[in-house]
Amino acid sequence: EIVLTQSPVTLSLSPGEGATLSCRASQSVNNFLAWYQQKSGQAPRLLMYDASNRAAGIPARFSGSGSGTDFTLTISRLEPEDFAVYYCQYRWNFGQGTRLEIK
Amino acid sequence: EGQLVESGGGLVQPGGSLRLSCAASGFTLSSHWMTWVRQAPGKGLQWVANIAEDSSASYHLDSVKGRFTISRDNAKNSMYLQMNGLRDEDAAVYYCARVVAGSPVDYMDVWGKGTAVTVSS
Repeated sequence: EIVLTQSPVTLSLSPGEGATLSCRASQSVNNFLAWYQQKSGQAPRLLMYDASNRAAGIPARFSGSGSGTDFTLTISRLEPEDFAVYYCQYRWNFGQGTRLEIK
Repeated sequence: EGQLVESGGGLVQPGGSLRLSCAASGFTLSSHWMTWVRQAPGKGLQWVANIAEDSSASYHLDSVKGRFTISRDNAKNSMYLQMNGLRDEDAAVYYCARVVAGSPVDYMDVWGKGTAVTVSS
């Protein structure tokens, strides 16, 4: 089973700053990785798929990169609505999540 | 775009049963694999089960095998999760989600709001 490890667990930043979230797979997943955003009390929302493709309606400030075992989700300039928990996913496996909180 | 609405959650005693339903609208259910994902209070996301477009294949999380069964009825635009032998650790919000058509690794692009399952005596 592939294990996905996200870092950091919590990221404290201010609106307008850039954010970098990481996801590491225990073995290669090629580029078959997705990112989800979950706001408090809401269902997850698909942000990125195939590591670097934005899902429909996702703003351009979100970008993804990586392949193999190391992946990054970058948010270029944080908006207030971006503070949430982010999960990476490969097949039936999710990372444990990164909480992006307001500093 | 599509919409999913879960129902059937509630309070159940350990060892009890529940049947969750997921009603789909706004898209052709028979064109998509479908998935159940759960989230225990304060915890992360956990995949539970998925089922092929025509019910020809389904897979379940090891810890629920033999207790939970995923099914679907495309004619009724619905998917189900029959949960038997419920345990404390099954308590969670259960989400149904649509898998992107043709996705090789179960990307989920439409999610319901979830239904809460509480297991307590």
